[in-house]
Amino acid sequence: KNEVEQSPQNLTAQEGEFITINCSYSVGISALHWLQQHPGGGIVSLFMLSSGKKKHGRLIATINIQEKHSSLHITASHPRDSAVYICAVRAGDSGAGSYQLTFGKGTKLSVIP
Amino acid sequence: GAVVSQHPSRVICKSGTSVKIECRSLDFQATTMFWYRQFPKQSLMLMATSNEGSKATYEQGVEKDKFLINHASLTLSTLTVTSAHPEDSSFYICSAGRGGLFDTQYFGPGTRLTVL
Repeated sequence: KNEVEQSPQNLTAQEGEFITINCSYSVGISALHWLQQHPGGGIVSLFMLSSGKKKHGRLIATINIQEKHSSLHITASHPRDSAVYICAVRAGDSGAGSYQLTFGKGTKLSVIP
Repeated sequence: GAVVSQHPSRVICKSGTSVKIECRSLDFQATTMFWYRQFPKQSLMLMATSNEGSKATYEQGVEKDKFLINHASLTLSTLTVTSAHPEDSSFYICSAGRGGLFDTQYFGPGTRLTVL
């Protein structure tokens, strides 16, 4: 079973700072998700990627398949970015109809005004 | 983007009663839905995979007779917690996907269950 490790577990930043959250996994994957969970509990899928880099607004996600590592970057952070960010991976041998995810424990981000 | 809803968002029940949670994909058909449980300050734990028209696949350690899953249509899956106990109190989240190999999953807003 894949082991998914995130760092840091907790992160406090000043508004405007550049933020990086890291995710490492132990077994080859077919896809990696970055998710955002707000205090109310709802989860939003930010990115799904299997190679390279994706950008959406102030968010950038990168993945290095060889190193089994992904990073989520937030530029010009804002208090509304405060949430738990979760990395989740889909196994590399999953069939087309199955994509069970293995989740990291999450990184709690607090952005202070 | 695709939307997944859950109902109710919050439920409080007495020990021994049963609670049904609905998960709906509002604007797409989901052949597969997933049910997760999340305890405070813990990550999501997959409970079961729900397939339309067939029996759910449960993860090891999850009692299928206690957590009944029904995937009656391509847009609705239900999770029934039978004879609920205080230790079943948790945050239950469903997700759904269209089924493509590289498709993303869409998560519901979650249901907070409190068993007194």
